[in-house]
Amino acid sequence: DAGVIQSPRHEVTEMGQEVTLRCKPISGHNSLFWYRQTMMRGLELLIYFNNNVPIDDSGMPEDRFSAKMPNASFSTLKIQPSEPRDSAVYFCASSLRQGEGNTIYFGEGSWLTVV
Amino acid sequence: AQTVTQSQPEMSVQEAETVTLSCTYDTSESNYYLFWYKQPPSRQMILVIRQEAYKQQNATENRFSVNFQKAAKSFSLKISDSQLGDTAMYFCAFMKAGTASKLTFGTGTRLQVTL
Repeated sequence: DAGVIQSPRHEVTEMGQEVTLRCKPISGHNSLFWYRQTMMRGLELLIYFNNNVPIDDSGMPEDRFSAKMPNASFSTLKIQPSEPRDSAVYFCASSLRQGEGNTIYFGEGSWLTVV
Repeated sequence: AQTVTQSQPEMSVQEAETVTLSCTYDTSESNYYLFWYKQPPSRQMILVIRQEAYKQQNATENRFSVNFQKAAKSFSLKISDSQLGDTAMYFCAFMKAGTASKLTFGTGTRLQVTL
């Protein structure tokens, strides 16, 4: 089975540019999560969706960040304009919310560097 | 809010030996789930093991087992017969039951397996 698929795997961009990260969750999963990992702050939940609807976006740093999930098989995380402090590994993850405590599976991450 | 504490930033173990990674958490919830994730140098987050808080029996997955002490809010990971491929960051994570399954992570323990 294909896991969570993220693209791009690596991106280097200049400050001020728009960055779009993409995610395809595991087929059949109905919850999707965006996490960010930095040395300073560790793993932080940015936003998560259930059945394509955003449930909690309290972790989104500021208005420069936005996330969408137009259908069950695709999500984007956009940063506009990007800043050097946005440099991090961004993980997309998914789970099948069928009851409680279902395991969350992670993609390989998108490594973003903003110069 | 839940917190997860991993008090060992780094650990080292010789190949074939056994090592235990510590994790404590703080919560007022009675129903929850605990996880250990492994992050090798490739940066991918890989599920190692999962424990339901309502189960008294400690979870086991091949060489990996946990010591779950609910009253003490402790959830340690034991790796037996350590292998070079076990070298990675290990993250302990908490998930409250009855919610949309979001994970709260500890800061991680970097494990180095040596010859």
